[in-house]
Amino acid sequence: EVQLVESGGGLVIPGGSLRLSCAASGFTFNNAWMSWVRQAPGKGLEWVGRIKSKTDGETGDYAAPVKGRFTISREDSKNTLYLQMNSLKTEDTGVYYCTRGSGTYYGASDIWGQGTKVTVSS
Amino acid sequence: SYELTQPLSVSVALGQTASISCGGNNIERKNVHWYQQKPGQAPVLVLYTDYLRPSGIPERFSGSNSGNTATLTISRAQAGDEADYYCQVWDSSAYVFGTGTKVTVL
Repeated sequence: EVQLVESGGGLVIPGGSLRLSCAASGFTFNNAWMSWVRQAPGKGLEWVGRIKSKTDGETGDYAAPVKGRFTISREDSKNTLYLQMNSLKTEDTGVYYCTRGSGTYYGASDIWGQGTKVTVSS
Repeated sequence: SYELTQPLSVSVALGQTASISCGGNNIERKNVHWYQQKPGQAPVLVLYTDYLRPSGIPERFSGSNSGNTATLTISRAQAGDEADYYCQVWDSSAYVFGTGTKVTVL
C-alpha cells in the first residue's frame, strides 16, 4: 500500500525547534521529489518546501515565510523525509502534510500523509 | 509573489454543474493542479496540468485554462463532492496554492 505517515508534531514555545518525520512506503522513495504543505487552523493550504531526489541533486526550495528557518532533508535508506523547524513562530501553527510530487502527474502531489499537528504557543 | 484568487464559496444543486475559478496573471502559461479536501481529511489530487485526471477520479471532473483564469468544473454534482477545492501552480521556484473555494451541494 502506498502510504506516507507523518510524526513528530506537538506543542513548542515560540523560538523553539521541532523536527517532523514522514515515513514512506509502497513506492520507490529515493526517486521521489517530496514536499511539505501546511494548513493553519481554519485556513487554506500553504506550500512549505520540497526536496528533489538524490539523483536530481537533493536540493531544496522553500516558501518565503520559512526560508532560513526550516530545512527539508531525506534519508533514503530509511525511506524517510524530515522537516527541521527552527525559530518557530506562532504563525507556524497548523497541520503539516508530507506529499509526493509525482513525475507522472507533472509535479502535482498525488500522495498525501494524514498530517501531524504543530502548535507554537507560550 | 504570484497570487491565485478563488471565490470563497460556490453552491450547486444536486445533479447540476459547478464551476470554480482560479485567477492568476497569465495563468494560461502555467500548469494548474487542483485538489479536493473534505473536512478532517488530507487533500486529494483531482486534476493535474489543467485538465488531466489522475486514475480513480471520475470524468465528472474537468478543467480548462485560458488567459488569466483556470477553471475546475464538476458536472452532475453529488453530495460527496461537497468539499474545499484548491488550485496550485509553480512559480519562481515555489508552489503557490489558491485561496480555496468551499463547494456546497444543495
